[in-house]
Amino acid sequence: ETGVTQSPTHLIKTRGQQVTLRCSSQSGHNTVSWYQQALGQGPQFIFQYYREEENGRGNFPPRFSGLQFPNYSSELNVNALELDDSALYLCASSLGTFQGTGELFFGEGSRLTVL
Amino acid sequence: DAKTTQPPSMDCAEGRAANLPCNHSTISGNEYVYWYRQIHSQGPQYIIHGLKNNETNEMASLIITEDRKSSTLILPHATLRDTAVYYCIVRVGNAGNMLTFGGGTRLMVKP
Repeated sequence: ETGVTQSPTHLIKTRGQQVTLRCSSQSGHNTVSWYQQALGQGPQFIFQYYREEENGRGNFPPRFSGLQFPNYSSELNVNALELDDSALYLCASSLGTFQGTGELFFGEGSRLTVL
Repeated sequence: DAKTTQPPSMDCAEGRAANLPCNHSTISGNEYVYWYRQIHSQGPQYIIHGLKNNETNEMASLIITEDRKSSTLILPHATLRDTAVYYCIVRVGNAGNMLTFGGGTRLMVKP
């Protein structure tokens, strides 16, 4: 148990729809990041939020967006869903901006299937 | 971040030491070596990290060669619960929460 909780655990959407995934970070952690993990591959960094602002982004299009709230919880929004968006979406939290501590705490993920 | 190379799979007998190698020949002086693992259907779990010196914690030991071009993660007494994909990641220490995961090594611990 890492203290990072994600919801929903599983969901099915159709192409063109929009989805919102939610994450509650470990108590006291003010930095949240999101990863996408396609089947059989390693996780890929989408973006991170620190103090409610995005301050790092991977190679993902603008239809992937996010929010961080004052209580440090976070949302990942994906618009205009495509079949290739089918994946496990992982949320990770940490304290501060990861100044060499090395330890991210991951949730168990939300598995999205796009039909 | 420096690229890493790991064997795609390894087997280990339960109770024996599991030694997982990682090559990172292009590592820079300010880049750390991190190890995470991912047990099936769970999120990745941090194991250990180091810069130059060997490191040990309650989960594992990390041996980094003197030229820092390779490292080995050692699980001293592997159990069935250690069956997982192990990722070796090299990155600078102040790069935020961005980790670049490769394919990892799928470790199968057998009875």
